[in-house]
Amino acid sequence: DADVTQTPRNRITKTGKRIMLECSQTKGHDRMYWYRQDPGLGLQLIYYSFDVKDINKGEISDGYSVSRQAQAKFSLSLESAIPNQTALYFCATSDFGLSGEAKNIQYFGAGTRLSVL
Amino acid sequence: DQQVKQNSPSLSVQEGRISILNCDYTNSMFDYFLWYKKYPAEGPTFLISISSIKDKNEDGRFTVFLNKSAKHLSLHIVPSQPGDSAVYFCAASAGGSNYKLTFGKGTLLTVNP
Repeated sequence: DADVTQTPRNRITKTGKRIMLECSQTKGHDRMYWYRQDPGLGLQLIYYSFDVKDINKGEISDGYSVSRQAQAKFSLSLESAIPNQTALYFCATSDFGLSGEAKNIQYFGAGTRLSVL
Repeated sequence: DQQVKQNSPSLSVQEGRISILNCDYTNSMFDYFLWYKKYPAEGPTFLISISSIKDKNEDGRFTVFLNKSAKHLSLHIVPSQPGDSAVYFCAASAGGSNYKLTFGKGTLLTVNP
């Protein structure tokens, strides 16, 4: 089983609909992240959470919200989806308790491909 | 403003030859650099990293070189194999209490048999 699991893997929705993408991890990591990837634009950080009570906005948080329900679960919501939110979404985790360079390593889920029509 | 730049969208090499992927950065606060590999329909996977106190780090066929004065790093793959064909992302972290990653746009490497 994957250490970082994203559901659903694919989703098609309509403009104006509310949608939630879910991420769960079995790695025991404290930090979790949501990224968006558009073709040719790399990964852009949407939100990140250092623990259950610590949620922070990333570079492109407008139009998105998140919830850290437990250390292992971090969900991303689009309150009213719009077509330019069509993208590949990735969840990632990292362990701040590690030493040195290892603190920086993030582990990614397989992604959710979202299409907003 | 793009703080991590991968100026080559794609690179094609022959099997057995060296692949060199380049990355430039502008933020002098970056002190850790990572390379990720991404296959289609999968998430990025960590490949190799380097701290700013080093200028080279090796792991098997993969070597990362860091030139701090030029704000440039490169990933060398020797010898290249068809299974190395993937998108490679360069990422950087300013460390401290933050440890967020800033990613480049990626380079698609194709290794031809």
